[in-house]
Amino acid sequence: ETGVTQTPRHLVMGMTNKKSLKCEQHLGHNAMYWYKQSAKKPLELMFVYNFKEQTENNSVPSRFSPECPNSSHLFLHLHTLQPEDSALYLCASSQDLAGAIQNIQYFGAGTRLSVL
Amino acid sequence: GNSVTQMEGPVTLSEEAFLTINCTYTATGYPSLFWYVQYPGEGLQLLLKATKADDKGSNKGFEATYRKETTSFHLEKGSVQVSDSAVYFCALTPNTGNQFYFGTGTSLTVIP
Repeated sequence: ETGVTQTPRHLVMGMTNKKSLKCEQHLGHNAMYWYKQSAKKPLELMFVYNFKEQTENNSVPSRFSPECPNSSHLFLHLHTLQPEDSALYLCASSQDLAGAIQNIQYFGAGTRLSVL
Repeated sequence: GNSVTQMEGPVTLSEEAFLTINCTYTATGYPSLFWYVQYPGEGLQLLLKATKADDKGSNKGFEATYRKETTSFHLEKGSVQVSDSAVYFCALTPNTGNQFYFGTGTSLTVIP
């Protein structure tokens, strides 16, 4: 148990569906991240939030919409996805942003998403 | 720019064999370097880290030394166990900016 909980663990959706992924951290951290993990590729950073404010959006398509209502919760809203969006979506948190010395990221177990 | 390159897997070893997973990096300035491990069905967990040149990170019998002259951070373990079977990720974070940069991961399977 890393202190970062993601739900659901598995999700199957059609291309016209709307769904949301949820992440919650119990570590008192200020920064939260969404990553996409695909086979044979480096982890792709999607979004970064610090104190509820978005600080990075790595050219992610608008069919992915993040929401951070407070420092403990992070959502990823999904709509009209494509089959190539099928992947493991990982949430992470850290005390501060990446540039802080000694900073460490704590990851959730991920949501395995399949788009049909 | 910043990037991490690690050896492609999968790697299959017999129990008690010696493990090396190579990692090299490109970065501006002096990054911090990490190895993360991902066990089946779980998220990534920090295995070890080093924050400056010549530092050695170690944990659970794994070691890696921050080599600035060769821009490398190779992961080693003298005697692997079946329970070490997992995917290992090399990563860096520069001293400025908001991002962590990860390699593609190396899958390790240890057979009895």
